[in-house]
Amino acid sequence: GENVEQHPSTLSVQEGDSAVIKCTYSDSASNYFPWYKQELGKGPQLIIDIRSNVGEKKDQRIAVTLNKTAKHFSLHITETQPEDSAVYFCAASGSSYKLIFGSGTRLLVRP
Amino acid sequence: DTAVSQTPKYLVTQMGNDKSIKCEQNLGHDTMYWYKQDSKKFLKIMFSYNNKELIINETVPNRFSPKSPDKAHLNLHINSLELGDSAVYFCASSQVDRGTEAFFGQGTRLTVV
Repeated sequence: GENVEQHPSTLSVQEGDSAVIKCTYSDSASNYFPWYKQELGKGPQLIIDIRSNVGEKKDQRIAVTLNKTAKHFSLHITETQPEDSAVYFCAASGSSYKLIFGSGTRLLVRP
Repeated sequence: DTAVSQTPKYLVTQMGNDKSIKCEQNLGHDTMYWYKQDSKKFLKIMFSYNNKELIINETVPNRFSPKSPDKAHLNLHINSLELGDSAVYFCASSQVDRGTEAFFGQGTRLTVV
């Protein structure tokens, strides 16, 4: 069945360092890969996404890479700040009508 | 001016009761969803509705009955609540034909005691 694996489950970095979160998906039909940030007590919020016809996308300190052959995609956050601390979810979608989420990564940025 | 709003935010109820969660979106989207987030933070799709029609029912027990009176609303009614139903339920919406992102509500924390 459809599955998305996400690693690591927790990540602690020093402020200013980079953070990388990796995901692997199983469904070859997946063509849309969003990343969501969830702060305590709030709903997930999209921070960046990538479609299968693109290998890399960048938005200021955030970048996402996609390797369709290996079915891997990754989130890169550079120059981390304390306000980046949250739970991050990757997701994959082959159908417009649902997202399959990874298990989440709790990111802690130490001041 | 909240994009996707759910009520209530918190719901505490006894086993066996019936409860409803309401969701409204003002984004003009054609598709709405219910997701469940368990205590380990796993997020799982429950239902998808497109233009008021059920598209996806992800093997959810039939105690859960979504209802979409119009494109802007998707409510979730739960009968005979069980302890295992305790979770945070998120409503979301998107415009499928434009491939836009899914916007999530703030969630409803349901606790069954």
